[in-house]
Amino acid sequence: EDKVVQSPLSLVVHEGDTVTLNCSYEVTNFRSLLWYKQEKKAPTFLFMLTSSGIEKKSGRLSSILDKKELFSILNITATQTGDSAIYLCAVVSSGGSNYKLTFGKGTLLTVNP
Amino acid sequence: SQTIHQWPATLVQPVGSPLSLECTVEGTSNPNLYWYRQAAGRGLQLLFYSVGIGQISSEVPQNLSASRPQDRQFILSSKKLLLSDSGFYLCAWSVLTHTEAFFGQGTRLTVV
Repeated sequence: EDKVVQSPLSLVVHEGDTVTLNCSYEVTNFRSLLWYKQEKKAPTFLFMLTSSGIEKKSGRLSSILDKKELFSILNITATQTGDSAIYLCAVVSSGGSNYKLTFGKGTLLTVNP
Repeated sequence: SQTIHQWPATLVQPVGSPLSLECTVEGTSNPNLYWYRQAAGRGLQLLFYSVGIGQISSEVPQNLSASRPQDRQFILSSKKLLLSDSGFYLCAWSVLTHTEAFFGQGTRLTVV
């Protein structure tokens, strides 16, 4: 059974802090790892990672994948109150021509002013 | 451009009543379609996924079922709702050659 584990489950920081969110996985036929941000309703896509060691960056957010150790981290620097959200990690695995996304439980990030 | 519609946004149903949630995708053909449930505002649990018309894979045995009567339509159903079916249901789609999933706005289901 495919498994995605995120840690911590929740985190409270002050504006300006840097946070690191973790995602480890155990899946058969790994294809890629995705990070999403969920504020109110639908999750919004952040990054897709397929290769080890290549950092993806978007503003204050960055992410990297380690396919040997089977984990990814999402970094947020100089956090702002608008970064408060649930951050979801998902892993895409394949069986034949079928693709499946398995999500972790998410990390609830609260950024206080 | 591709869009995904999911309705209704909010639903309150009595225990034992039937359920039908609909999801349609526009602007793409033969998408992978997914139904997720999110309990207590946390991680997404995959309920069903479909790679084509009439092809449904169930990830978790439960009181729910899914159907895909048309290429871009995905329906989540139940014959008799349980209290434990309450939650936030999200429909999503992805393309085989790409792997990001795009989500609908979700349905908040409360079973009373």
